[in-house]
Amino acid sequence: DGGITQSPKYLFRKEGQNVTLSCEQNLNHDAMYWYRQDPGQGLRLIYYSQIVNDFQKGDIAEGYSVSREKKESFPLTVTSAQKNPTAFYLCATSPVGGLEFFGQGTRLTVV
Amino acid sequence: AQTVTQSQPEMSVQEAETVTLSCTYDTSESDYYLFWYKQPPSRQMILVIRQEAYKQQNATENRFSVNFQKAAKSFSLKISDSQLGDAAMYFCAYRSYFGSQGNLIFGKGTKLSVKP
Repeated sequence: DGGITQSPKYLFRKEGQNVTLSCEQNLNHDAMYWYRQDPGQGLRLIYYSQIVNDFQKGDIAEGYSVSREKKESFPLTVTSAQKNPTAFYLCATSPVGGLEFFGQGTRLTVV
Repeated sequence: AQTVTQSQPEMSVQEAETVTLSCTYDTSESDYYLFWYKQPPSRQMILVIRQEAYKQQNATENRFSVNFQKAAKSFSLKISDSQLGDAAMYFCAYRSYFGSQGNLIFGKGTKLSVKP
């Protein structure tokens, strides 16, 4: 079954902790993206990667880190430096120059 | 830098009626894509329609159509014969034509309610 899998669907984090959100795809897409969605803000780009072992900062990268060791995987770590991490996080993939496909998202809440 | 503006935070339409959602954008590029995405309560992002800037003809997908005015940098979405299932957040998005910078730039969204 082809697609994008984000896990977990809901995630709770204590203040001061790092947490990693998973994004896996079997669409064989080269490009992968992480977006953050807040109420009234639309989607904003955190990081993106066009190729394995390479990634670029988006508009709101501070407090986040990523890795792209495999084509299929693009995990996002929300570090303790992120001041307001409570949000909905969406992963997307695309062939280079092609349409983006979105995962189902992860809702992160700081408790 | 490109920006996308949706000036209507909320809209409402009666079932079976027609509604138009507005979107304007700013860019210095001549080639690009424009999209409308639907996000229902499940929060899944669903592509509704897309428009290539080099095409003069407005895109249409069943009950959804766009009015693309390139000179005015306007890209509105018209939903005809509105259905209850159309209730959702709608996002307008811009993407550069050049594939090396392929991320989408989103507006803040319009929440559409459909009244029975």
